[in-house]
Parts: sequence; C-alpha cells; structure tokens
Amino acid sequence: EDQVTQSPEALRLQEGESSSLNCSYTVSGLRGLFWYRQDPGKGPEFLFTLYSAGEEKEKERLKATLTKKESFLHITAPKPEDSATYLCAVQAYPNQGGKLIFGQGTELSVKP
Amino acid sequence: EPEVTQTPSHQVTQMGQEVILRCVPISNHLYFYWYRQILGQKVEFLVSFYNNEISEKSEIFDDQFSVERPDGSNFTLKIRSTKLEDSAMYFCASSTVGADTQYFGPGTRLTVL
Repeated sequence: EDQVTQSPEALRLQEGESSSLNCSYTVSGLRGLFWYRQDPGKGPEFLFTLYSAGEEKEKERLKATLTKKESFLHITAPKPEDSATYLCAVQAYPNQGGKLIFGQGTELSVKP
Repeated sequence: EPEVTQTPSHQVTQMGQEVILRCVPISNHLYFYWYRQILGQKVEFLVSFYNNEISEKSEIFDDQFSVERPDGSNFTLKIRSTKLEDSAMYFCASSTVGADTQYFGPGTRLTVL
C-alpha cells in the first residue's frame, strides 16, 4: 500500500534556527512529490514539485530535496511568518486520476 | 494570480439532509478534484474528474457522493444524505493535467448536526 510518513509531527524553532522536515514515502513507483504549506483553517498552498531523485527546488528560505525513499524540506533562518503545517504528498504510478496521497504534516512553530 | 474559489466557506446541516458544495477551478485547468480533511487528520482524496467523467475515486466516495460540472466554470460535490462522520473540511483542487501540480481552494467547513 502506498504510504507517506512525515517527521517530526511538531517542530519548535527559534527565529534564525535552521532545520529540516522529513517526508518518507513507500510507493509502487513515484510519479511526483509535492510540498504544500497549510495555515489553520485554510487550504494547502503549493510550494514545490519534485519528480526525480537528486532534484532540488528553492524558494526564499525553503529548499526541497528528493531521494528514492524520502524528501527533505530545509528551512534556513526561519521567521515567525514561516509558522504553519507543512504537508508532503505523492502521486504514484499507475495513477490515472491524479490522486495525491498526503502525509500527516509537520506543524512548525517559529518563535521570535 | 488565478485561484480556486469555494462556496460556502461554512455549511451547517442536519443529519440526513443533502448538501452541495461548490467550486470554481482555475479557468484553463482540465482536471478537478475533491479532498476532505477531518479535524486533526490527513487530507484524504475523494475523487478526480476529467472530460466530464470521474477518473478515479476512493473508497470514501460511495453512492452518497456525486460530482458534476454543471456549466463551464463550476464543479460541485453533492452529499445526498449527510452523516455525522461527514463533518470535515472539503477542499476542491484543479490542475492542467493529471500529473501536474494541484492548486487547492480555501475549503468549505461542513458541520453535520
């Protein structure tokens, strides 16, 4: 069965304290891995798409990387406004309908 | 910037009543999706829709659920006879193609009493 596991469940950082979030996946074949940010009571907001091992994407203080078994979301010098839940989702082959399989999320809190 | 919109933002209904949740996907997108998130749980896939038919559906999407694209802009999710366990946030999403990034709406919070 295709599965996505994120760790840690919650992460508290001081402003400027860099860290990484992990997303481990077990799928029959990876079609794509997606990172989203979700604020309380809101819909997931797209951050990155990764398609193949070794791929990296960056946006401001965030950098996403992908290996054959996991993805990392690195946060460099975070600010309080980076506080949110970060969701990882995968699409697996043979996927005809575009279904995303989500992890539980990592709730990030950045204190000033 | 184009975005997915959903109405209403919050729907309260009595158990056994029918509800229709509405979504306006991004205009040039061809694939449409519904997901739900029960409070404190993972976002779960319900159904995907392309070319006026269901592409894929999950076990959750039983005979009580249906989807429709009634015109060129709206995409709806109907729950025929709501149950207490249907209480959740329902998210609509859209993408250009099936393997492309899905963009999510703000959600409709459904509360079944």
